[in-house]
Amino acid sequence: NAGVTQTPKFQVLKTGQSMTLQCAQDMNHEYMSWYRQDPGMGLRLIHYSVGAGITDQGEVPNGYNVSRSTTEDFPLRLLSAAPSQTSVYFCASSPSGVQTYEQYFGPGTRLTVT
Amino acid sequence: KQEVTQIPAALSVPEGENLVLNCSFTDSAIYNLQWFRQDPGKGLTSLLLIQSSQREQTSGRLNASLDKSSGRSTLYIAASQPGDSATYLCAVRDNYGQNFVFGPGTRLSVLP
Repeated sequence: NAGVTQTPKFQVLKTGQSMTLQCAQDMNHEYMSWYRQDPGMGLRLIHYSVGAGITDQGEVPNGYNVSRSTTEDFPLRLLSAAPSQTSVYFCASSPSGVQTYEQYFGPGTRLTVT
Repeated sequence: KQEVTQIPAALSVPEGENLVLNCSFTDSAIYNLQWFRQDPGKGLTSLLLIQSSQREQTSGRLNASLDKSSGRSTLYIAASQPGDSATYLCAVRDNYGQNFVFGPGTRLSVLP
């Protein structure tokens, strides 16, 4: 099992550009989520999905879009990048419907917006 | 709204010491609490998961306790080693959804 994979590892964008951060898992987990990590603030939830075709907003969804067409993939789209979106982005997954399970995290994508 | 805090924000200890990291949460209606380790520039590694019905979990030199009624968890690290140097994060999964709320972390340095 590769677990949770994320690409790219690093990305630099100019203000106003758009891009997609990729996330995939091979554990057949129904639940997937995206977090951003900023210094001193811990991880904050951006969007999450409880299964293919079902997504919902987290704590900080503005400026981001997600879709879930398959169980394996959960891409995060930045529509028009802003310097405030400079952060480290983590994707996570876990079995769904049973809240007692732990979450598994990907290695992260470090994004800089200039 | 669930809020999670961790004290101290940073800690520096000599090798061999036993130490305690603290995590507090405001809403006791939780499903579970998970402790993670994060090395600089890396992702999160799960250390221990405590279900709401449990009081503690142990893995090697690590022991995590949970007191739901007081909204507290502690991570005890025995005989600390320089390799334990990392940031330790706690996260709670509450009864209102499937999502975790994270604390800001404690940055631990173990000096040889």
